[in-house]
Amino acid sequence: QSALTQPPSASGSPGQSVTISCTGTSSDVGGYNYVSWYQQHPGKAPKLMIYEVTKRPSGVPDRFSGSKSGNTASLTVSGLQAEDEADYYCSSYAGSNNFVFGTGTKVTVL
Amino acid sequence: QVQLQESGPGLVKPSQTLSLTCTVSGGSISSGSYYWSWIRQPAGKGLEWIGRIYTSGSTNYNPSLKSRVTISVDTSKNQFSLNLSSVTAADTAVYYCARFHAIRGYFDYWGQGTLVTVSS
Repeated sequence: QSALTQPPSASGSPGQSVTISCTGTSSDVGGYNYVSWYQQHPGKAPKLMIYEVTKRPSGVPDRFSGSKSGNTASLTVSGLQAEDEADYYCSSYAGSNNFVFGTGTKVTVL
Repeated sequence: QVQLQESGPGLVKPSQTLSLTCTVSGGSISSGSYYWSWIRQPAGKGLEWIGRIYTSGSTNYNPSLKSRVTISVDTSKNQFSLNLSSVTAADTAVYYCARFHAIRGYFDYWGQGTLVTVSS
């Protein structure tokens, strides 16, 4: 199984929005609604931000939203704040009890 | 609040077996709603799912690692473990244990991670 494809980097000024894509295939992202997104600050463990494509866990700001179209899922961070600067990873169920992560995107707040 | 903590040697010699244990606190590893997983991350690189185990002992592994991975569970100690055999330098990484929601398909609680270096 291959890693899902994410852009290496994305950036925006405070208050702006940034959208990160996560491209897979019909065997993973396109085939299931089990796409989740994780935020990882340097030296820290990943934190769940979005699950089942669009749902936010309790405590995650509503500035974070998820969507999916075909084989590509997206994470949008609206109203960027300094603390949103981090690496972001998508993950998807890939069938046959397998899971795959994305290549990761470094978000920079300018 | 569920907490997970990895433990094990930080240095393993090439060709030997990497062994790590994850201790779960604040909740029972026997809960039927969750799988217990291992994920790794080489320095400066992305996350890689290694595998998972259910409380019953049922396991699923990443096909690319399947021949070298064994995950086991000890419900009496509220722990689960990872064994990765025949390691090489490519297995050097931060290893995380994490709880996986069986129905909703996400990793919600993670350990802090432990660095394992493969070197002679």
